[in-house]
Amino acid sequence: AQSVTQLGSHVSVSEGALVLLRCNYSSSVPPYLFWYVQYPNQGLQLLLKYTSAATLVKGINGFEAEFKKSETSFHLTKPSAHMSDAAEYFCAVSDRNRGSARQLTFGSGTQLTVLP
Amino acid sequence: KAGVTQTPRYLIKTRGQQVTLSCSPISGHRSVSWYQQTPGQGLQFLFEYFSETQRNKGNFPGRFSGRQFSNSRSEMNVSTLELGDSALYLCASSTGMGMNTEAFFGQGTRLTVV
Repeated sequence: AQSVTQLGSHVSVSEGALVLLRCNYSSSVPPYLFWYVQYPNQGLQLLLKYTSAATLVKGINGFEAEFKKSETSFHLTKPSAHMSDAAEYFCAVSDRNRGSARQLTFGSGTQLTVLP
Repeated sequence: KAGVTQTPRYLIKTRGQQVTLSCSPISGHRSVSWYQQTPGQGLQFLFEYFSETQRNKGNFPGRFSGRQFSNSRSEMNVSTLELGDSALYLCASSTGMGMNTEAFFGQGTRLTVV
């Protein structure tokens, strides 16, 4: 079964600093990968997705992620943090081996705090 | 274009009761998935419906059930509620069953079982 590991349940950065949120997946076949953001009492919003078209994926709000097959990683970055980036971030995978059925397997989430 | 609408937003139920949650997908979306989010277990897949048929099911007891109507709206039902069923239930819709298809999430229904 697919699994996703997000290293660091809490990450704090200063406003204007680099944001790096880590995600590693377990699969012999590269899955489809997604990053979602969740603000308090809200649903999930898609930031970006990897579908094998390009290893560097650009998303909304200045976020990007790089797929590295050799490291089974899909880390999320943003060059300069903004106060509005404070939220919980989830990495998710969709297993290509499941044929026509699809389900997202989520990591445990990383709470990002942005310090003034 | 309206987003995914979940009703109600908040719900308080007593142990042993049953509850029905509703999800209206984005217009034109035919796939609806349900997820349970708790502090302890995180986000867990419940089931997915496409064209009124359950296509995929997560590892939840039979007390959790769902259905999808011809207009793609979906409901999930939890019978004989337990305290551990307290969670945020999220519904997501997408255009189809493709595994790289983007899932759009609603704001969720916060269920509290007392």
